[in-house]
Amino acid sequence: DTEVTQTPKHLVMGMTNKKSLKCEQHMGHRAMYWYKQKAKKPPELMFVYSYEKLSINESVPSRFSPECPNSSLLNLHLHALQPEDSALYLCASSQDRVTDTQYFGPGTRLTVL
Amino acid sequence: DQQVKQNSPSLSVQEGRISILNCDYTNSMFDYFLWYKKYPAEGPTFLISISSIKDKNEDGRFTVFLNKSAKHLSLHIVPSQPGDSAVYFCAAYNYGQNFVFGPGTRLSVLP
Repeated sequence: DTEVTQTPKHLVMGMTNKKSLKCEQHMGHRAMYWYKQKAKKPPELMFVYSYEKLSINESVPSRFSPECPNSSLLNLHLHALQPEDSALYLCASSQDRVTDTQYFGPGTRLTVL
Repeated sequence: DQQVKQNSPSLSVQEGRISILNCDYTNSMFDYFLWYKKYPAEGPTFLISISSIKDKNEDGRFTVFLNKSAKHLSLHIVPSQPGDSAVYFCAAYNYGQNFVFGPGTRLSVLP
């Protein structure tokens, strides 16, 4: 099973809303990632969790708050987003840190009104 | 400053012919390279990888070539099929650092 699942597939939210994106994998991977992808651009790394600990935060605004409740789950909590935060949010996982092949989920298409 | 470049935004190839996608990088510290394929509204799918100690890796219809002296790698797809039509991202990293993705090349395989 090489599947990474993400929910919801689509999300529309207002600038004052609080919402969460969820990601799950059951491959026994110990590294999980959040990426943001704008149209016609490559994915941009946001956060890296390694063994459930945040190891990399790529200067992401505090309105994005990641959480790793356990080794299989990764959440991204959203609060007070801006319209320019509208993008495809991708979750990925790898065996261990960034040195292994990353497997991506299908993404959540986020629209901020 | 783009560390990974894919200078062709798009490429069209006839079905059955060879598709060659190119990628150039500037950071000589990169020691691992990957190709991902992405369909619209889906996450990237891992395709094939190559370590910097090799110059070629083959997996079925897909072959990746690495020329370290030129800081260049290419993905060959033979024979190309309509289902190969997608955006292809080249990615690179060195140990302990982050993935860097190229901007992508949109491949269209024409029947």
